Amino acid sequence: DAKTTQPNSMESNEEEPVHLPCNHSTISGTDYIHWYRQLPSQGPEYVIHGLTSNVNNRMASLAIAEDRKSSTLILHRATLRDAAVYYCILRASGAGSYQLTFGKGTKLSVIP
Amino acid sequence: KAGVTQTPRYLIKTRGQQVTLSCSPISGHRSVSWYQQTPGQGLQFLFEYFSETQRNKGNFPGRFSGRQFSNSRSEMNVSTLELGDSALYLCASSLGVVSGANVLTFGAGSRLTVL
Repeated sequence: DAKTTQPNSMESNEEEPVHLPCNHSTISGTDYIHWYRQLPSQGPEYVIHGLTSNVNNRMASLAIAEDRKSSTLILHRATLRDAAVYYCILRASGAGSYQLTFGKGTKLSVIP
Repeated sequence: KAGVTQTPRYLIKTRGQQVTLSCSPISGHRSVSWYQQTPGQGLQFLFEYFSETQRNKGNFPGRFSGRQFSNSRSEMNVSTLELGDSALYLCASSLGVVSGANVLTFGAGSRLTVL
């Protein structure tokens, strides 16, 4: 599986934007970029995904580099509820889509 | 719309016993996958079922098994429990389409403690 690299931890002040980076230099042309987050004592929660173009939804935005070797999850205004571990995951099509391969993720702390 | 339901939420077993965990997926979802989460190894894939067939299996010993029923509900079983099996077991459901765009919805997990 293609791997991703994320910083171990990041901090943000409440109500400020947060940019969570992810490097995936070995991404293949058909791999989707997914982001999940896991709040304390909960299961992972889907945040957003994309293939080539930038994506927006009610939770966040996903900015994908032109060469697709990196991406950034953008939380526009961090709240205390956004404190979680954020996982950047590549999902292949075909049999590779049967599972998610989680890395260690980025632990986001939000400072009031 | 009801989410993914896992039961029991917490359980304590002793070494050598076996345990069965249950997962009810979101209505209409035909794929159920299972993950183990431990502080040391993080989130690891166990297996995935679609329409009662196991499509993929992670690198776990044969003591870990699962099955899926015709209503898409799934169970996983761990036999001859070891201390290292203490973990949060997560179930996720999805439509199961064979696409990298397939999105998973996770349950809250079953916390297993082996003494």
